[in-house]
Amino acid sequence: GAGVSQTPSNKVTEKGKYVELRCDPISGHTALYWYRQSLGQGPEFLIYFQGTGAADDSGLPNDRFFAVRPEGSVSTLKIQRTERGDSAVYLCASRPKTGSGNTIYFGEGSWLTVV
Amino acid sequence: KQEVTQIPAALSVPEGENLVLNCSFTDSAIYNLQWFRQDPGKGLTSLLLIQSSQREQTSGRLNASLDKSSGRSTLYIAASQPGDSATYLCAVHRGDRGSTLGRLYFGRGTQLTVWP
Repeated sequence: GAGVSQTPSNKVTEKGKYVELRCDPISGHTALYWYRQSLGQGPEFLIYFQGTGAADDSGLPNDRFFAVRPEGSVSTLKIQRTERGDSAVYLCASRPKTGSGNTIYFGEGSWLTVV
Repeated sequence: KQEVTQIPAALSVPEGENLVLNCSFTDSAIYNLQWFRQDPGKGLTSLLLIQSSQREQTSGRLNASLDKSSGRSTLYIAASQPGDSATYLCAVHRGDRGSTLGRLYFGRGTQLTVWP
């Protein structure tokens, strides 16, 4: 597609429920990133994929968070037993190839509210 | 751990002013630095990317400089316009664990308002 696509754009869920957030990166981009942004804060790194494998998952806050990218394209961020503190914007981004000269492209985010 | 600080947190100016936004980072071992713009309720749009070997980049009315040794970058906006109103975020790419695709470390941003 033309840009990074994220669905849903908004999600309201009850505390304790399971949530899946989907990211469709720009076609051909090998690297995919998930960030979380709370109000008034900068984006906080969660995980990034190089192809199908998670190259760095050190930003995942705890074992309730998990992400997959089974075919090296679309990725899903999964949150189990949601808590009110999980409320944030979840941003996905992708980059075209290796090399530090390639810029990163962000989607518009999935706004998650846990009530 | 890399920490990125942006000053000021907020800035409100009349149209036409030239502006300087500041970014500092604690670890100078970076691959590049990027400046992003974020409009309310939207994702991030990359404005400028400066490689670690470069000193500055320019795009239209925007100029970004990088002093890697001192851990600082500035974003200069010339002749500001109301349409420039947004949050401006600075991020450094450190390339963790030897990977050039590593995470970005973001500051909290500078919220800019340009009034007519």
